[in-house]
Amino acid sequence: GIQVEQSPPDLILQEGANSTLRCNFSDSVNNLQWFHQNPWGQLINLFYIPSGTKQNGRLSATTVATERYSLLYISSSQTTDSGVYFCAVEDRFGNEKLTFGTGTRLTIIP
Amino acid sequence: DVKVTQSSRYLVKRTGEKVFLECVQDMDHENMFWYRQDPGLGLRLIYFSYDVKMKEKGDIPEGYSVSREKKERFSLILESASTNQTSMYLCASSLNDRTDPISYNEQFFGPGTRLTVL
Repeated sequence: GIQVEQSPPDLILQEGANSTLRCNFSDSVNNLQWFHQNPWGQLINLFYIPSGTKQNGRLSATTVATERYSLLYISSSQTTDSGVYFCAVEDRFGNEKLTFGTGTRLTIIP
Repeated sequence: DVKVTQSSRYLVKRTGEKVFLECVQDMDHENMFWYRQDPGLGLRLIYFSYDVKMKEKGDIPEGYSVSREKKERFSLILESASTNQTSMYLCASSLNDRTDPISYNEQFFGPGTRLTVL
C-alpha cells in the first residue's frame, strides 16, 4: 500500500516562530488532508489539498502532486498551535480509505 | 458545519464484555469510518461503510464488527473485549460524491472515545 512519511517527528519552537512540516507519499493520490490533533485527541481539519496551494489565516499548505509531497506552513506560531499534525492520503485507486502518516509533534514554548 | 459525535469520551470495560461504540453524523454523508489510534502505530482503519447496511474491512478488523442500519449512525462492536483493545477510537464521515472536486471524501472526525479494557 501507499506509504506516508512525515518530517520532522518532533519540533520545538518559540512563540512567534515560523515552521514548515513535510509529508512525502509513495504514489499518486486522489486526496490529501492535513489535520491538527489537539491535546484532547480531537482531529481538526486544516486543509483538503490533493494539489495546489491554500491559505487559511496563519496556516498555508502546498501539495506538489507530481513530486509526491505536501508542505504545511505555520507562521507566527502561538501556544495553541501545539499538538500533533497529521498528513493523510487516499491513494490513486480511489477506495476512499485514508492512510495516515505518523505525525509531527509541535510544541510551542511561550 | 459538519458534526460527528461519539457516544462516550471515556469508557472503562472489563475483559469479555460486549462493547458498543456509537457514532452519529449530521451531514448526510454516505461514507463512515472507524479508526483506532495507538502510540507509535498512528491511526489505523478498522472498518468503513459506504452505504446503509454496507461494510468493508479495513486494515485491522479482527476482534471487531460494525453495524450501519441508518445512514447517520455507524456502530463499532467489540464482541468480547480484550485488554489489547484498549485504545483511542475515532469515527469519521465523508461525502461520496465523485463529481464534487471540492470536498469529495474529505473526512471529518468525531471527538474520539478513550476505551480502557481491564
